[in-house]
Amino acid sequence: AQSVTQLDSHVSVSEGTPVLLRCNYSSSYSPSLFWYVQHPNKGLQLLLKYTSAATLVKGINGFEAEFKKSETSFHLTKPSAHMSDAAEYFCVVSLLNKFYFGSGTKLNVKP
Amino acid sequence: ETGVTQSPTHLIKTRGQQVTLRCSSQSGHNTVSWYQQALGQGPQFIFQYYREEENGRGNFPPRFSGLQFPNYSSELNVNALELDDSALYLCASSLASRGMNTEAFFGQGTRLTVV
Repeated sequence: AQSVTQLDSHVSVSEGTPVLLRCNYSSSYSPSLFWYVQHPNKGLQLLLKYTSAATLVKGINGFEAEFKKSETSFHLTKPSAHMSDAAEYFCVVSLLNKFYFGSGTKLNVKP
Repeated sequence: ETGVTQSPTHLIKTRGQQVTLRCSSQSGHNTVSWYQQALGQGPQFIFQYYREEENGRGNFPPRFSGLQFPNYSSELNVNALELDDSALYLCASSLASRGMNTEAFFGQGTRLTVV
């Protein structure tokens, strides 16, 4: 069975400080993992994906995620938050092209 | 823009009615998946269509049904609507490749309100 746990429902950071959004997964197979972002009243946009190549994955807008098999984690990071990063972020595990979403983390960025 | 379009964008229906939502997949994609996103939750997998056949289903009752057409566009039908069916319905298209999980491209969604 596939599942994703996003450990924080809300994260608040100041502009210019680092961002850490935590995700743990469970998968019966070698997982494909994704992070998607959803801005208010917008669709889901792919930030980055892990598909068994390099464990450190670089995405758009300065985001990165590191796949750690021993910890079953795929945390999303960014060195310096920008106001435009305020949105909801979803960690996703995929099996046979079916996506299983976490419950989401709402990122608030304070001026 | 992902190239995935959904219609309508918003819809209000009465409990007990039936609804059809539509999705045009991205050019060249052969797989369409549907997801339900209730308020404050992550999207939940409803079902997937690959080359016009259902290819997996989540934990949704049979009154949720679908179709995929030869041009790979898709419909989601929900019968006997219940208040809890109120949600954002997302369509995702992808190009299925044997043994590989490719990224999915999502439409903007259809906001369904059941009153």
